This record gives sequence, C-alpha cells and structure tokens, in this order.
Amino acid sequence: DADVTQTPRNRITKTGKRIMLECSQTKGHDRMYWYRQDPGLGLRLIYYSFDVKDINKGEISDGYSVSRQAQAKFSLSLESAIPNQTALYFCATSDSSGGTHNEQFFGPGTRLTVL
Amino acid sequence: AQRVTQPEKLLSVFKGAPVELKCNYSYSGSPELFWYVQYSRQRLQLLLRHISRESIKGFTADLNKGETSFHLKKPFAQEEDSAMYYCALRNYGQNFVFGPGTRLSVLP
Repeated sequence: DADVTQTPRNRITKTGKRIMLECSQTKGHDRMYWYRQDPGLGLRLIYYSFDVKDINKGEISDGYSVSRQAQAKFSLSLESAIPNQTALYFCATSDSSGGTHNEQFFGPGTRLTVL
Repeated sequence: AQRVTQPEKLLSVFKGAPVELKCNYSYSGSPELFWYVQYSRQRLQLLLRHISRESIKGFTADLNKGETSFHLKKPFAQEEDSAMYYCALRNYGQNFVFGPGTRLSVLP
C-alpha cells in the first residue's frame, strides 16, 4: 500500500542538540510538507516543497531547515533544539496533478521532546 | 491573511444527538475548504471537501460564503465519531491553513 512514513516515531533530546526527522513516501506525490501540532494551536506549516528543487518557508520556519533529497524524501532538521520545539511533527504529501483533488496524506507523526 | 477559526476546543454530545462543529475562515479569494479527522492513535485523514458536496460517515458541511463558514454537521452522533476534527483552507499558494481543532466526545 502506498504510504507516508516518518522516522523516528519518538525522540527525546537535549537542548542544543541537532535533530533530523525523516519522511518518506511511496505515493509518487510531488508535493511534501512539514507541520507541527501543538494543543490549542492545531497544525502549523513549517516548510513545504512542490518539487525536488523547490523549498519554501511556511508560517513558523525559524529554527528549522529542510532538505528534499529526492521526490520521495523530505527531511526536517532542528539545528540546535530548544524546549519550545517540543511538539508532534507531521509530514504530509499531495499530488499537484489534481488526481486526488488536492487532498493531503499524512504520516503517523513524530513526537519530539526537547529537555 | 488567511485564517481558520474553530471556536470550540471541546464539544461533548450524547449518542444519537445532533452535532455541529463550527468553522469560520477569512480569505480574500475563493477558498477550497476541507474537514480532516484524527481518530485516537491514527493519523490525520480527509473527512470531506466542500467541492465534492459529499456526505461521509453521515457528516455534511456546506460552504456559506456570506458568513464565511464551513460548519460540519451530523444529525445523529455515534460513539465512533469521537475524534479531533480540523477545518482547513487551501489558498492560492496551494498551501493548507488549519484551524486549532475541536475535540468531539460522543457520550454513551
């Protein structure tokens, strides 16, 4: 089954550490997104990519960077993690061809705790 | 600026009662609106989109441009409807803007 996967699923780290969260998809979609979910704030867009050579900042990109290594892979990095980056992180994909009517497909999430 | 608001953080109803989850948006153009649902221990998934005018799992939502609303309704709630519901808007930049979410709890 075509899917969106995220690794790791859970991570506990310390302030100042560099962290990378990875997202892979087998859906063949060209567009990929990173969100963070916080209670009461919903999902907020961090970065998005419409193609391998396309990277765009979202609403809350400060403190994060991304890399689109291939159409199927989109990684999120925290160069120097801080406690207020503790959150649930979701990767999502969508297909620009409109075949799925712009629906986004989400990964299972990565729970990150920064101590 | 685009914004999606969901005024209720938590909504509790009894099984068999009608339910309405409110969603309002601000957007200068013609929006595409969606409802996403997240059941316990599952990933977010699309529930319905306004352009399809569909009913999924008994839920419907009508886009009211005059009131800039896209409320989600179901006439008879079921316990399995308990979940987190997010209203989302897709803008011209083709990104999605999500509301803060409403947790629906259907009591037996």
